[in-house]
Amino acid sequence: DIQMTQSPSTLSASVGDRVSITCRASQSISTWLAWYQQKPGKAPKLLIYKTSTLQSGVPSRFSGSASGTEFTLTISSLQPDDFATYYCHQYNSYSTFGPGTKVDVK
Amino acid sequence: QVQLVESGGGLVKPGGSLRLSCAASGFTFSDHYMSWIRQAPGKGLEWLSYISGSSNTIFHVDSVKGRFTISRDNAKNSLYLQMNSLRTEDTAVYYCVRGQIMGALIFDYWGQGALVTVSS
Repeated sequence: DIQMTQSPSTLSASVGDRVSITCRASQSISTWLAWYQQKPGKAPKLLIYKTSTLQSGVPSRFSGSASGTEFTLTISSLQPDDFATYYCHQYNSYSTFGPGTKVDVK
Repeated sequence: QVQLVESGGGLVKPGGSLRLSCAASGFTFSDHYMSWIRQAPGKGLEWLSYISGSSNTIFHVDSVKGRFTISRDNAKNSLYLQMNSLRTEDTAVYYCVRGQIMGALIFDYWGQGALVTVSS
């Protein structure tokens, strides 16, 4: 089974900050990685798939990149609506989610 | 617009059974793989199972294999999860989730979730 790790587990930031979250896969998953945003009491929302493809309607301040088995979600300028928990998700071999990264107010 | 509405959650005793339903609308249901994903209180996301549009392909993860069964009725635009032999560790919010046309495991629409509580 493919394991996913994320760092940090919690990230404290301010509006306007550039924020990056890292996700690592235990083995190669090619580019089959997605990112989801979840707010308390709500269902997750798809942000990015295939490492860097922005889902329709998602603001362009969100971007994704990869280097080998390390993947990064970047928010170029954090907005008030972006405080949430973010999950990476591999779908190269069935489906595994990372443990999540909570972005909270500094 | 795409809507997924789960129902059937509730409180059940260990060893009991429950059937979740998901009513889909706003898209051609039979064109899409559908999945169930759960989230235990305060925890992360766990994908449980998926089913192809024609029901020809079905998969369950080991933690629920033999206890949970995914199914669908395309005539009714509905997805189901039959849960038997429930355990306390099955307590979670259960989400009905649509896979993209070009990627069965890219989850582009989620229901609001159904809470299942397994407790004596």
